[in-house]
Amino acid sequence: DGGITQSPKYLFRKEGQNVTLSCEQNLNHDAMYWYRQDPGQGLRLIYYSQIVNDFQKGDIAEGYSVSREKKESFPLTVTSAQKNPTAFYLCASSISSGTYNEQFFGPGTRLTVL
Amino acid sequence: AQRVTQPEKLLSVFKGAPVELKCNYSYSGSPELFWYVQYSRQRLQLLLRHISRESIKGFTADLNKGETSFHLKKPFAQEEDSAMYYCALSPTGFQKLVFGTGTRLLVSP
Repeated sequence: DGGITQSPKYLFRKEGQNVTLSCEQNLNHDAMYWYRQDPGQGLRLIYYSQIVNDFQKGDIAEGYSVSREKKESFPLTVTSAQKNPTAFYLCASSISSGTYNEQFFGPGTRLTVL
Repeated sequence: AQRVTQPEKLLSVFKGAPVELKCNYSYSGSPELFWYVQYSRQRLQLLLRHISRESIKGFTADLNKGETSFHLKKPFAQEEDSAMYYCALSPTGFQKLVFGTGTRLLVSP
């Protein structure tokens, strides 16, 4: 079964804890992205990576960190510095950088801070 | 700065009625524009892009550079069109997308 997988589907975190969201793809895509989706605000870009071992901040990177050690994996860590982490998080991937290529999205992870 | 505006949070129509979901953008260059759709319990997926000038599921969208708009239209709405629709912009030469806040389309029988 090809595509993008995100785990877990639901995640609960206590205040002050770091938590890592998983994103894996077997589409052989070079580029990967993390978005945050909040009601009434659409999707906002957190981080993106165009190639292994390289990534750039998006529009709302504060309080988040990522790594891209493997082509197929792009985990997102929500740190305790993120002031309002409760949200729906979407991971996406696309073929290559440069001119635009269609982004394919995962099913999402809903994070709730207790 | 790039910005995408979708003024309607909810658009409710009856089956068979025409539909127009509005999208306006601000960008100083020549952007690429897209419509993404999220059906209930499904993943966000690409519906159409302006450069391909195609019609998908009866939907079309024309880029109007003068009005900086990219409205999504369908002459006769179907119940299965009910979904969340996002307009998105990709700045020239970049992979990243800038999304609007989305419009929920509800088509009633």
